[in-house]
Amino acid sequence: VQLLASGGGLVQPGGSLRLSCAASGFTFSNFAMNWVRQAPGKGLEWVSVISGSGGSTFYADSVRGRFTIYRDNSKDTLYLQMSSLRAEDTALYYCAKLRAGYTYASDHWGQGTLVTVSS
Amino acid sequence: SYVLTQPPSVSVAPGQTARITCGGNNIGSKSVRWYQQKPGQAPVLVVYDDSDRPSGIPERFSGSNSGNTATLTISRVEAGDEADYYCQVWDTGSDHHVFGPGTRVTAL
Repeated sequence: VQLLASGGGLVQPGGSLRLSCAASGFTFSNFAMNWVRQAPGKGLEWVSVISGSGGSTFYADSVRGRFTIYRDNSKDTLYLQMSSLRAEDTALYYCAKLRAGYTYASDHWGQGTLVTVSS
Repeated sequence: SYVLTQPPSVSVAPGQTARITCGGNNIGSKSVRWYQQKPGQAPVLVVYDDSDRPSGIPERFSGSNSGNTATLTISRVEAGDEADYYCQVWDTGSDHHVFGPGTRVTAL
């Protein structure tokens, strides 16, 4: 299993960014996927989860309405579209594969992509 | 929303046993997961479904869950076990994954 997150960078408050997570080594469409973030020096914070089909999505209260999770199973890629970004969204964003459906544990994690929101 | 509590730190001598608790309202009714995160690295799943270990995780790592407390036990602690440990559950009430604040384990 390999998960390669990309798309992070420096963005101004109020701006937008799209993160990608390229998956390999497993049948991507069979597994739910998570985004989890970690602000500098802080703990893990769950952001969003999507079912294997993409038909079910859930969001943390802190990002609902601003972030959209989706996936392209034909490309084995997970996405996180982030808009109306705030300073408090600054974090390392991890994508993670779940063991099965969207309520399960995350058994493989990528190395993360850093998002910095600053003027 | 559902809240998990963990002690900020646990210190243990090498070779001894470390116990990390995770508190939550009726957490015994939920499936608890534990993740290990070493500095500069991505988290690693060490226990799922309260007490199951993924392949490759040493038997020294074990979990239990009852009532309002789940526990990760690390037997015969080694220097390489020094890390932050996070508990996590799926909260059906809010349809959220929830992480605890994390516990830093230090081998004295």
